[in-house]
Amino acid sequence: RKEVEQDPGPFNVPEGATVAFNCTYSNSASQSFFWYRQDCRKEPKLLMSVYSSGNEDGRFTAQLNRASQYISLLIRDSKLSDSATYLCVVIKGGTSYGKLTFGQGTILTVHP
Amino acid sequence: GAVVSQHPSRVICKSGTSVKIECRSLDFQATTMFWYRQFPKKSLMLMATSNEGSKATYEQGVEKDKFLINHASLTLSTLTVTSAHPEDSSFYICSARDQAQAGGFTDTQYFGPGTRLTVL
Repeated sequence: RKEVEQDPGPFNVPEGATVAFNCTYSNSASQSFFWYRQDCRKEPKLLMSVYSSGNEDGRFTAQLNRASQYISLLIRDSKLSDSATYLCVVIKGGTSYGKLTFGQGTILTVHP
Repeated sequence: GAVVSQHPSRVICKSGTSVKIECRSLDFQATTMFWYRQFPKKSLMLMATSNEGSKATYEQGVEKDKFLINHASLTLSTLTVTSAHPEDSSFYICSARDQAQAGGFTDTQYFGPGTRLTVL
């Protein structure tokens, strides 16, 4: 089983739609969680951290369920510029702290 | 945010040659840098952790003699792909870890723009 698993998509949605991505992780000792965004042939960029209490940044909402080892990202009112690959990222604790483990990414295409 | 540069951004080389990729943190000191590889339509895979002043730590399955890492200063890590083969063609990305303590502790990683290696 992969350490971090995501539905690869692709998700094709019209502008203004709401779309949700899911991610599961296998290591219960994982300590930190993030969503990154990667545009084609570019480096990943941090979108937001994910906290157990849930957090929101504008149109983006992230949720973490430690009991189910599940992370989600909700994008409301999709824009054309949201088209990208969204990467679920986990950091394990202990001596592995600092090492980012990436999911395979979920491709989102927002069309007019 | 902090800036990390990589050089070169793109390289094409013949099979059997060695290629050196540089990763620099431009406005902060990074005792730890990470090297990743990404194949087309795949996710980033961590290759190794580069520690300033000590040997790199390689992930399982990554040949340390094939991928030489040197972290000689707090702002520079290099990855050398030795005797490159076509299967080494990939997108290589570094990240630098900023663990600043001034004004409150932070621990953030910043990615370089990546180096696209093509081995003919």
